[in-house]
Amino acid sequence: DTEVTQTPKHLVMGMTNKKSLKCEQHMGHRAMYWYKQKAKKPPELMFVYSYEKLSINESVPSRFSPECPNSSLLNLHLHALQPEDSALYLCASSQDPAGDTDTQYFGPGTRLTVL
Amino acid sequence: GEDVEQSLFLSVREGDSSVINCTYTDSSSTYLYWYKQEPGAGLQLLTYIFSNMDMKQDQRLTVLLNKKDKHLSLRIADTQTGDSAIYFCAEKKLSGGKLIFGQGTELSVKP
Repeated sequence: DTEVTQTPKHLVMGMTNKKSLKCEQHMGHRAMYWYKQKAKKPPELMFVYSYEKLSINESVPSRFSPECPNSSLLNLHLHALQPEDSALYLCASSQDPAGDTDTQYFGPGTRLTVL
Repeated sequence: GEDVEQSLFLSVREGDSSVINCTYTDSSSTYLYWYKQEPGAGLQLLTYIFSNMDMKQDQRLTVLLNKKDKHLSLRIADTQTGDSAIYFCAEKKLSGGKLIFGQGTELSVKP
């Protein structure tokens, strides 16, 4: 099973709201990722957690706050977002981020609209 | 540089073969990947090839790698309307493990 699940599927929020995106995998993977994707563009890496520790932050604004409560779960907390943050947010996981043979598996994404 | 380049559009007739091309710049990349994204969906891993291979076949999919020219291609045999999607080529950097994506090729299959 190579399934990564994400909730919610769609989210509409105002600029003053606080919301969270959730991601879960039960493949025993030790790395989890957040990507942002605009329509018909490639995904852009935001954060990487490796063994439950934040290992990469691609200079993401602080209104996005990631959290990795355990090796199966990854959250993205959202606060005071801007309309330009509207996008598809993709979660991915991989077995071993340090391994040369590591392969990322993606979830279905959360479609976020900021009004 | 870190560029991975793909042509943006490809249109084929149902039943024909499709060939999607990709060029990359980093010769130290370990794995090269093809992901498929249907409208409104996430990225589905289609196939991947290790950098010391030159070909991999998986049912209707054939991946060819020319490491000298840093050129990767994905051939889809007997293309179906369900193959209509955006196809992303990606290379895995040796250090850091980041995936570098191409811009994606939008494949349109006409009946």
